[in-house]
Amino acid sequence: EAGVAQSPRYKIIEKRQSVAFWCNPISGHATLYWYQQILGQGPKLLIQFQNNGVVDDSQLPKDRFSAERLKGVDSTLKIQPAKLEDSAVYLCASSLVRGLQETQYFGPGTRLLVL
Amino acid sequence: AQKITQTQPGMFVQEKEAVTLDCTYDTSDPSYGLFWYKQPSSGEMIFLIYQGSYDQQNATEGRYSLNFQKARKSANLVISASQLGDSAMYFCAMREGSRDLRNQFYFGTGTSLTVIP
Repeated sequence: EAGVAQSPRYKIIEKRQSVAFWCNPISGHATLYWYQQILGQGPKLLIQFQNNGVVDDSQLPKDRFSAERLKGVDSTLKIQPAKLEDSAVYLCASSLVRGLQETQYFGPGTRLLVL
Repeated sequence: AQKITQTQPGMFVQEKEAVTLDCTYDTSDPSYGLFWYKQPSSGEMIFLIYQGSYDQQNATEGRYSLNFQKARKSANLVISASQLGDSAMYFCAMREGSRDLRNQFYFGTGTSLTVIP
């Protein structure tokens, strides 16, 4: 079974530029998450999708971040315009919801550096 | 209050020895799940082990076991016979029971484990 795919793996941009990340979840996984992981910290949830609907985006900085999951499969996360503090690893995860035992499977992440 | 607390920023262990990584959690929900993930330098989070709040026995997965002490709200990860490839960050996480689909998934700050040859 193929895992969660993410691209690009690395991205360097200047502040005020735009950037987009792509995620392809495990086939059949209805739930998809985007996390931001700043160096030295645990992942912080940005947005959760159930199929193509947003379940939770309460921690997404909506003035600059946006995400979509058209057709309930692939997802993109966009930052426009980027700030220095957006430098982080952006992790995508997917899961089959099985009650409490909802194991999230993560992709390799995209490392973003904003200069 | 922090939902998940990992008090050990860094740990060292000799190869082939066992090591315990600490995790305490805070919840008033009677239904919850506890998870441990490994994050090597490559960045990917790898699922290791799961323990449900109603599980009677401690979870085990190969060299990983979870020392679940419900009354103390602790869920320590024990790695037996450490290998050099175990060097990584380890995150404890919790999912609280939820009647809706919203994620209530919390991660700790992680423990960096270094296995010494």
